[in-house]
Amino acid sequence: GENVEQHPSTLSVQEGDSAVIKCTYSDSASNYFPWYKQELGKRPQLIIDIRSNVGEKKDQRIAVTLNKTAKHFSLHITETQPEDSAVYFCAASIGVFAGGYNKLIFGAGTRLAVHP
Amino acid sequence: KAGVTQTPRYLIKTRGQQVTLSCSPISGHRSVSWYQQTPGQGLQFLFEYFSETQRNKGNFPGRFSGRQFSNSRSEMNVSTLELGDSALYLCASSSRGTRETQYFGPGTRLLVL
Repeated sequence: GENVEQHPSTLSVQEGDSAVIKCTYSDSASNYFPWYKQELGKRPQLIIDIRSNVGEKKDQRIAVTLNKTAKHFSLHITETQPEDSAVYFCAASIGVFAGGYNKLIFGAGTRLAVHP
Repeated sequence: KAGVTQTPRYLIKTRGQQVTLSCSPISGHRSVSWYQQTPGQGLQFLFEYFSETQRNKGNFPGRFSGRQFSNSRSEMNVSTLELGDSALYLCASSSRGTRETQYFGPGTRLLVL
């Protein structure tokens, strides 16, 4: 089946703490895993992504890890700031053909609140 | 480059009517995907078009349809609107498909009364 589960649904942290959001996917053919941030009233924006041939990727305070065997991937935000407050979505791209005939299945989202 | 644009931004319809939403992708992008976003269901994949061909379709009834033109602009149509169709409809474009970075438009907020 095509399913992406995301936990937790809400996350509240103090400024400066770390935040971790976890996702699991069901289709072993998934090969691309982006994370999107959506601020209130705005469009989703890509913050980081990882492909199935890589186990970890980092971009400043944001990192993503992928465990293909367990079919789960996680977003790590360190030194959180109030402007990190938003809804975060994970997604898995299910590959059908090598030419890119994929579709993105999104998790339900995590509402992150960073308190000063 | 100009970003993804969607028109109209807001729409109010009544049950039974039909609606057409438009999406203009980033210049040079040939893939356009559509998503329905609701508070209860999150972001759900509707369909993806590439070079005027629908390559993938989500689990939505046949009332939801789409098309893509030769300039990569895409439209989606919802016929016989139901109250449950009220949602934010987002389109996203990428150069080759959903294995590449998807750039989202601002969305069209549809309210069905």
